[in-house]
Amino acid sequence: DADVTQTPRNRITKTGKRIMLECSQTKGHDRMYWYRQDPGLGLRLIYYSFDVKDINKGEISDGYSVSRQAQAKFSLSLESAIPNQTALYFCATSDRTSGGDEQFFGPGTRLTVL
Amino acid sequence: GQSLEQPSEVTAVEGAIVQINCTYQTSGFYGLSWYQQHDGGAPTFLSYNGLDGLEETGRFSSFLSRSDSYGYLLLQELQMKDSASYFCAVSNQAGTALIFGKGTTLSVSS
Repeated sequence: DADVTQTPRNRITKTGKRIMLECSQTKGHDRMYWYRQDPGLGLRLIYYSFDVKDINKGEISDGYSVSRQAQAKFSLSLESAIPNQTALYFCATSDRTSGGDEQFFGPGTRLTVL
Repeated sequence: GQSLEQPSEVTAVEGAIVQINCTYQTSGFYGLSWYQQHDGGAPTFLSYNGLDGLEETGRFSSFLSRSDSYGYLLLQELQMKDSASYFCAVSNQAGTALIFGKGTTLSVSS
């Protein structure tokens, strides 16, 4: 079984709709992240969480919110989706004791906003 | 702010050696990492440099010069399966959020 899972894997929605992307991990890591990827722009950080009670904004948090329901679960919400939020979204985890910068990524959610 | 620069594309042939450079400007610096991403897949970790010098892992090596704000990923004995995008990323504290470069697309031909 995959260590970091994301649901759904693909989603098409309409402008103005609320949508939630979910991420779960079985790695026992305390740190979780949400990124979006657009062609030619690399990965950009949306939000990150170092534990259940810690939430931090990343480079591009406007239009997004997150919830850390448990150590293993980190959800990303788009309250009112707009077309320029069409992108590939990745969840990632890391272990604060690892000493380096290794992050483990989920398979991604491809979101299309019409 | 933080910014990273890396070439957008690199091409090479099987068996060759290729170097992907990364220069960075950051308000704080802890380490430089490299990730590989195949088309449609998730990024996977390749290497990390926290100190100056060369780190070697099989066919891949990564180098860091903190004084020059510069690093590179060296791929040797290239194989077709190495065709992918490669991202450098910096952190300003261990295990914290990463800032990624825009990626270098490597195409390996036979």
